[in-house]
Amino acid sequence: GIQVEQSPPDLILQEGANSTLRCNFSDSVNNLQWFHQNPWGQLINLFYIPSGTKQNGRLSATTVATERYSLLYISSSQTTDSGVYFCAVNAGNMLTFGGGTRLMVKP
Amino acid sequence: DTEVTQTPKHLVMGMTNKKSLKCEQHMGHRAMYWYKQKAKKPPELMFVYSYEKLSINESVPSRFSPECPNSSLLNLHLHALQPEDSALYLCASSHAPGQSYEQYFGPGTRLTVT
Repeated sequence: GIQVEQSPPDLILQEGANSTLRCNFSDSVNNLQWFHQNPWGQLINLFYIPSGTKQNGRLSATTVATERYSLLYISSSQTTDSGVYFCAVNAGNMLTFGGGTRLMVKP
Repeated sequence: DTEVTQTPKHLVMGMTNKKSLKCEQHMGHRAMYWYKQKAKKPPELMFVYSYEKLSINESVPSRFSPECPNSSLLNLHLHALQPEDSALYLCASSHAPGQSYEQYFGPGTRLTVT
C-alpha cells in the first residue's frame, strides 16, 4: 500500500514563529487532506489539496503531486496551534494517514 | 454545515459488557467510516459503508460489529472487548465513496475497557 511520511515528528516553536511541515507519499494520489488534531482528539479539516496552493488565514498548503509531496505552512504561530498535524492521502478508496507532526507552541 | 456528531464522548466498559457507539451526519453524505486511534498513533481505518452497505472491513475482530440503519446513522456495536481495544474511535463521512471526496470527522468516542 501507499506510504505516507511526515516530518518533523516533533516541533517546538516560540509564539510568533513560522514553520513548515512536510508530507511525502510513495505513489500517485487523488486526494490529500491536512488535519489538525486538537488536545481533545477532534480532527479539524485544514485543507483538501490534491494539487496546487491554498491559503486560509495564517495557514497555507502546497501540494506538488508530480513530486509526491505536500507542505503545510504556519505563520505567526499561536499557542492554540498546538496539537498534532496529520496529512492523509487517498489512492485506493481509503484514507491513509502519515505519522503526524506533534507541534507545541510556547508563549 | 460540515458536522459529524458522535455519542457518547467517553465510555468505560467491562470486558463482559455490550455497548454501542453512535455517529450521525446530516450533510447528505453516502459514505461513512469508522476509524480507531491509539495514543500517539494516526487513525486506522476499520470499516467503510457505501450507500448503507458495508464495503470495506479491514480485518476487524468480530467483537466489533458495525451497522448502518440509514444514510445518516452509523453504529458500532461492542461486545466482549479486551483492554487493548481501549482507544479513540472516530467516525467520518464523505459525499460518496471513492478517492476524490473530502472526509469530515466527528469528535470521537474515547473508550476505556477495564
